[in-house]
Amino acid sequence: NAGVTQTPKFQVLKTGQSMTLQCAQDMNHEYMSWYRQDPGMGLRLIHYSVGAGITDQGEVPNGYNVSRSTTEDFPLRLLSAAPSQTSVYFCASSTPYEQYFGPGTRLTVT
Amino acid sequence: AQTVTQSQPEMSVQEAETVTLSCTYDTSESDYYLFWYKQPPSRQMILVIRQEAYKQQNATENRFSVNFQKAAKSFSLKISDSQLGDAAMYFCAYRSLRTDKLIFGTGTRLQVFP
Repeated sequence: NAGVTQTPKFQVLKTGQSMTLQCAQDMNHEYMSWYRQDPGMGLRLIHYSVGAGITDQGEVPNGYNVSRSTTEDFPLRLLSAAPSQTSVYFCASSTPYEQYFGPGTRLTVT
Repeated sequence: AQTVTQSQPEMSVQEAETVTLSCTYDTSESDYYLFWYKQPPSRQMILVIRQEAYKQQNATENRFSVNFQKAAKSFSLKISDSQLGDAAMYFCAYRSLRTDKLIFGTGTRLQVFP
């Protein structure tokens, strides 16, 4: 039981490049979400999904896309990276009572 | 929309002493969960304690306890017998049972001095 896995752990992108942050969970949870963490801002919700085929926007969705084709996977796509997207990204898989967080991805956009 | 406010960016406590971290929230919902998370330098988010809004009794987990005041929309965390390993960022979070969204406060950095 690996819990929530995220890849990569670190990434450096140039402005305008695209990439996908991967997230997978093996707990069969319906609810998954993506957060970004910036200094002094706490964790802010980017997108979330309540089950395969269903996604919705959080507080800061602009510049990010998601899809949920399976219960296990919830990738986050940056279509054209900007310096403002430099942050630490967390994926989480949840029951109503508890959230299980991945180890995070530190993304730097230059 | 729900909001969570942590008004103490930094707190410090001496080892073995007690410290209280503050959290207030705003919501029009009656059913929700509240959480405190610890984030050490490793960046891993660790659940410290959870409170269901329908429960009047304050949650406790060993040295950690909360003071949940539903009418005042206040949810403070008390850490008793502080240990050096308690040093971390602490985040208060609100989970709506209607939307499943989890909203975080901006965090409090706790330092523990020997």
